[in-house]
Amino acid sequence: GAGVSQSPRYKVAKRGQDVALRCDPISGHVSLFWYQQALGQGPEFLTYFQNEAQLDKSGLPSDRFFAERPEGSVSTLKIQRTQQEDSAVYLCASSRTDRTAYEQYFGPGTRLTVT
Amino acid sequence: SQQGEEDPQALSIQEGENATMNCSYKTSINNLQWYRQNSGRGLVHLILIRSNEREKHSGRLRVTLDTSKKSSSLLITASRAADTASYFCAPGVTDKLIFGTGTRLQVFP
Repeated sequence: GAGVSQSPRYKVAKRGQDVALRCDPISGHVSLFWYQQALGQGPEFLTYFQNEAQLDKSGLPSDRFFAERPEGSVSTLKIQRTQQEDSAVYLCASSRTDRTAYEQYFGPGTRLTVT
Repeated sequence: SQQGEEDPQALSIQEGENATMNCSYKTSINNLQWYRQNSGRGLVHLILIRSNEREKHSGRLRVTLDTSKKSSSLLITASRAADTASYFCAPGVTDKLIFGTGTRLQVFP
């Protein structure tokens, strides 16, 4: 595709609800990343996939957060039993190779508000 | 931590002036990337400089890297109102990017 797309763009959830955020990376990109960005802060790394393998999930804040990329393309970030502190913009990025240190292309983000 | 710390936190200039932002980091790195984020276009990669490079140019952007001081700078020349955004550095040794809190640049017409 032309760029990284994310859906939904906005999500309002009541505390305790489960949410699923989708990321469509650029076609053919090997690496996929999820970040969480709180208001006024820089993005914080959550997790990283190389194809379908989740190689790094050290940034996931709790076991309520789960990410998958079963076929090595589309990825879903799931948050169970949402809490107010989960309110943030969730950014997805992809990178064309599995080599280190290449630029990442970011999607527009999903703004999650937990009420 | 590989986190970059940007300085200043906020910068206001007039169109046509130059803007300089600095980044310091703590560990040895293989490369350092700069990104820009504004409400219109989201987070966009600007430039990547590798640890064996000292300076790199891209259009009106000039990035320097001093690995002995663990610091980098981003210079935007002849700034435009459209350059108004937050600028982040992301030092790293892997694909995992660790962003700082950014420099918020305001360019007044």
